[in-house]
Amino acid sequence: ETGVTQTPRHLVMGMTNKKSLKCEQHLGHNAMYWYKQSAKKPLELMFVYSLEERVENNSVPSRFSPECPNSSHLFLHLHTLQPEDSALYLCASSSIPSGGAVTDTQYFGPGTRLTVL
Amino acid sequence: AQSVAQPEDQVNVAEGNPLTVKCTYSVSGNPYLFWYVQYPNRGLQFLLKYITGDNLVKGSYGFEAEFNKSQTSFHLKKPSALVSDSALYFCAVRDITGGGNKLTFGTGTQLKVEL
Repeated sequence: ETGVTQTPRHLVMGMTNKKSLKCEQHLGHNAMYWYKQSAKKPLELMFVYSLEERVENNSVPSRFSPECPNSSHLFLHLHTLQPEDSALYLCASSSIPSGGAVTDTQYFGPGTRLTVL
Repeated sequence: AQSVAQPEDQVNVAEGNPLTVKCTYSVSGNPYLFWYVQYPNRGLQFLLKYITGDNLVKGSYGFEAEFNKSQTSFHLKKPSALVSDSALYFCAVRDITGGGNKLTFGTGTQLKVEL
C-alpha cells in the first residue's frame, strides 16, 4: 500500500464545509482514478485522469471537484456535501501504455473514510 | 454494457479446506478479468488478472482463478484456506474491445475462514 497513499485517512465534515482529499502515487504511473465505495454497493468510478487530463467523469455531482496537477498527485475537492456522500473514497493509479489501456492493472490506496454530518 | 456478478454475499469455510469465491461476467467483447481483496479499513489489493492464454491464473498469497469462457465465469480458488484470508473479495471486468480504463466491479463477497 505504500505505492499509493491517501490523506487524510478519516474525515468528518459538516454540509457547509470545504475540504480536500489528497492522493499520491509513487509507482511512476500515468493514470489516476477516484472511486466511491458505499456499503453493499459496487465500487463507483468517479473520475479518471490520464496524463493529467480528465478522460472520464461518471455523472458526478459538481460538489465533487477533482484536480490533477501532475501525474503523481490527485485531489478531490469537496464542498456543500450531503450525508449520502458519506463513504470510503479510494484513489487508484495505473500505467497506460502509449497504444492504449489494454493490460494496465490499477493499484489502490487505503482510502479516506468520509463522514458528512 | 459490461457487468460482473458475485452471487454470494458471504462464504464460510474451515481453515485448511479449499475455498471458492464465485464470479460471472458479461461483456460484449473479450473479457479482461481481475480479483482484488480488501482487508478491514484498507484499500483494495490486487490478487491476479486474466488477459489471455492459460485459463488457470496464479496470483498472490496462493490464490488462483480459473477462466471459463463457456460459462462466463472467473472463480477464485485456494487449495487450503487460512484464517488470515478472511476479507472482502471483489471481482472486476473490463472489455478490452471497448477501450478506455473503466473497470466494472462486483458487489463483493465476504470470506470468513474459521478455525
